[in-house]
Amino acid sequence: NAGVMQNPRHLVRRRGQEARLRCSPMKGHSHVYWYRQLPEEGLKFMVYLQKENIIDESGMPKERFSAEFPKEGPSILRIQQVVRGDSAAYFCASSPQASGGSYEQYFGPGTRLTVT
Amino acid sequence: RKEVEQDPGPFNVPEGATVAFNCTYSNSASQSFFWYRQDCRKEPKLLMSVYSSGNEDGRFTAQLNRASQYISLLIRDSKLSDSATYLCVVGHNDMRFGAGTRLTVKP
Repeated sequence: NAGVMQNPRHLVRRRGQEARLRCSPMKGHSHVYWYRQLPEEGLKFMVYLQKENIIDESGMPKERFSAEFPKEGPSILRIQQVVRGDSAAYFCASSPQASGGSYEQYFGPGTRLTVT
Repeated sequence: RKEVEQDPGPFNVPEGATVAFNCTYSNSASQSFFWYRQDCRKEPKLLMSVYSSGNEDGRFTAQLNRASQYISLLIRDSKLSDSATYLCVVGHNDMRFGAGTRLTVKP
């Protein structure tokens, strides 16, 4: 049973380019979460999605960031016009259900974004 | 006030020591509680869930005090391999992570 998969593992972008990060949840999991971790800092919640729905995007910056989880295919976190401050590790997690947040989340290996 | 607060450490302890981490949370309606560990430049991994009655898994013991909104993790007979950052996680409608407590176990 494959775990949460993320790709690419490392991504380098120049300022102003777009970054697309992909996440495939564990088999049987329909809830996906994205987190950002800056160097030497803790995980910051960004967005929670179910298939075709954004449930909670309270942690997403208002501009340049978007996320989707289509009916088919992986979840995508998209960052437009990247800036140096976007350099971070982006982790995706999945859970089978999320009734009241009671189900533990399983994390992918992360995508390390470097903006030059 | 942060939703989940942890002492950032670092905790530097010798092998075999007992070490305790504390965590407080602000949302009294929180329903689920976990400890994760994160190794340097790796993803967080679930260490254990925390139940109201307290629970133990080998050398690890977790406690929950709902009245004080406080969670703890005790590690007995610490090993070099326990060196990591320990994340307190609290769930309500979603999960909120503490910033983590860094532990280094030295020979």
